[in-house]
Amino acid sequence: DQQVKQNSPSLSVQEGRISILNCDYTNSMFDYFLWYKKYPAEGPTFLISISSIKDKNEDGRFTVFLNKSAKHLSLHIVPSQPGDSAVYFCAATGQGAQKLVFGQGTRLTINP
Amino acid sequence: DVKVTQSSRYLVKRTGEKVFLECVQDMDHENMFWYRQDPGLGLRLIYFSYDVKMKEKGDIPEGYSVSREKKERFSLILESASTNQTSMYLCATLLPVAKNIQYFGAGTRLSVL
Repeated sequence: DQQVKQNSPSLSVQEGRISILNCDYTNSMFDYFLWYKKYPAEGPTFLISISSIKDKNEDGRFTVFLNKSAKHLSLHIVPSQPGDSAVYFCAATGQGAQKLVFGQGTRLTINP
Repeated sequence: DVKVTQSSRYLVKRTGEKVFLECVQDMDHENMFWYRQDPGLGLRLIYFSYDVKMKEKGDIPEGYSVSREKKERFSLILESASTNQTSMYLCATLLPVAKNIQYFGAGTRLSVL
């Protein structure tokens, strides 16, 4: 039972264009969402997060959008750079929970 | 900066061996986690610990155990390694002042032959 789903295993984007990574969840108790970025042979690093009381959070080139009614969030990267090539995981957690539930990941490739 | 150190980057073990994966954090965090990462499956939680000598099962605890004798160290134990435990293992610690932001070690790539 996959509570957090990233349906696109891979995405290829031209350098300078917008990258949009998507994530869906099924558990309505989730109230906090995070995106992590992972390079090969390294651990995931925290990128950006959003609380369910917001519908948008921005940090430089990265913006996360949350649509609670659709149980959907997306990560926008603009402009995309070659260093953004990595696997991106979305994760979710519920109120008071210490655990994160992760999606399957999306491999983003930025082409020069 | 939070530092989470996993003792080995790569390990090769034989089926049936007992395997210890070690994780050390330097920030006095109470919560620590062990995950495994497999292609197409994302990160799956094996066990976590919210204090010394305290542990809770995650989503896939079968075939694993853990030990937390000191706050800074969280060990994952494969009692009798099997080939289906070949995976990338990731340790994480929870930053308490920020909601559920976990910081990860570099990972241990374990191959069981």
